[in-house]
Formats: sequence, structure tokens, C-alpha cells
Amino acid sequence: AQSVTQLGSHVSVSEGALVLLRCNYSSSVPPYLFWYVQYPNQGLQLLLKYTSAATLVKGINGFEAEFKKSETSFHLTKPSAHMSDAAEYFCAVSLGGSQGNLIFGKGTKLSVKP
Amino acid sequence: ETGVTQTPRHLVMGMTNKKSLKCEQHLGHNAMYWYKQSAKKPLELMFVYNFKEQTENNSVPSRFSPECPNSSHLFLHLHTLQPEDSALYLCASSQDERVSNEQYFGPGTRLTVT
Repeated sequence: AQSVTQLGSHVSVSEGALVLLRCNYSSSVPPYLFWYVQYPNQGLQLLLKYTSAATLVKGINGFEAEFKKSETSFHLTKPSAHMSDAAEYFCAVSLGGSQGNLIFGKGTKLSVKP
Repeated sequence: ETGVTQTPRHLVMGMTNKKSLKCEQHLGHNAMYWYKQSAKKPLELMFVYNFKEQTENNSVPSRFSPECPNSSHLFLHLHTLQPEDSALYLCASSQDERVSNEQYFGPGTRLTVT
């Protein structure tokens, strides 16, 4: 069975610092991987997705993630945090097929200090 | 209106009440979803509709009853709810239910059961 683990329910960084949000998955076959962001009082929005093409995936708002099969990881990074990045971030994994197979992590809340 | 809209945004109901949540998407998508988002728990998929047919019911109690009259509208009918049903209910849509497609989320309905 597939599963996804997000390390750290809350991450705090200073404005301008590197953002690193961790996601590990368990899957017996190459998965589809996603990062979604949820701003306060809003629904989720797709940041980026990995679907077996390039292992380094670039998304919106300067975020990127690297698929590392050997580490079963798909960590999200951004070189320089902005105050507007404060939100909750969700990693999700699927083995394919329908959206019914999409499993979300518990989320990581990112705070950005001035 | 653009994207995915949900009404009402907030709902307080007693355990004996009957109410309905409404979701509408203006994206021309064919798949629609209901999710439950509770504090400190992963996002839980409740129902999936693809081309108006229900394709997924994740063991949701019968006090939640979905309805999809057409590809643009999705309802969640609620009756005799329990306090533990208090949560943010998110609607989403995608082109179809293939997992490679991006889901577009509405802002959610914050439900409180008293």
C-alpha cells in the first residue's frame, strides 16, 4: 500500500531564507507525486507534480521539488522565502489510475518571519 | 464566477437538522470530488463523480449523501450529523478522474455540528 509522510507539522523560516519541506513516500512502483498549497481560508492549489518525466520539477511561485527514487523522497524547496509563502503545504502520492488513489500527507504549516 | 465555488462558506447545524452543501465548477471539467479536512488529520476523500457517475465512496457514513445532477454541480446532503463531523468540507474538480490531472479546489464550507 502507498503512504506519504511529511516530516514536521510546522516549519518556521526567516524571510529570504531557504524553504525546505520534507516528503517521503512508500510505494512499490514509480508513483505520481504532487505538492499542493493551502492559503488561509482557501482551498488547495497545485504547486507542482511529478509524473515520471524530469526528476527536478519546477512549479509556481519559485518552488521546485526533486524526485529521488533511492531515498523515496520528494522534498519541496524554494531558495528565498517571502512573507506571502506562509501557508500549509500538502504532499500527495498516487500509484496511478484514478484520483481515488491519491493519498495526502498531514500537511506542513510554513511560517515566515520578517 | 470562475473556478470552483462553494456555498455556504460557513454552516452551523444541530444534530437533528438537514442541510445541503453546494459546489459549482465553471471549468468544463467532468470529475468532481468531496473531501473532508479535519485538524491534524490528512485530507480524506469522500466521494468521486466522473461524468456524473459515482466512482468512489470511501466508506462514508450514510448520513452524508452526495448528488451530482450534471458535470458542473455537486451537492452533499447532510442529516443527523454528529459533532465529530465538524470540519472543512472541500469540493474539487478535474478534467476527468485520471490521477495525472490537476484538481482545482473550492474554498470550502466550514461546518460546525452542535
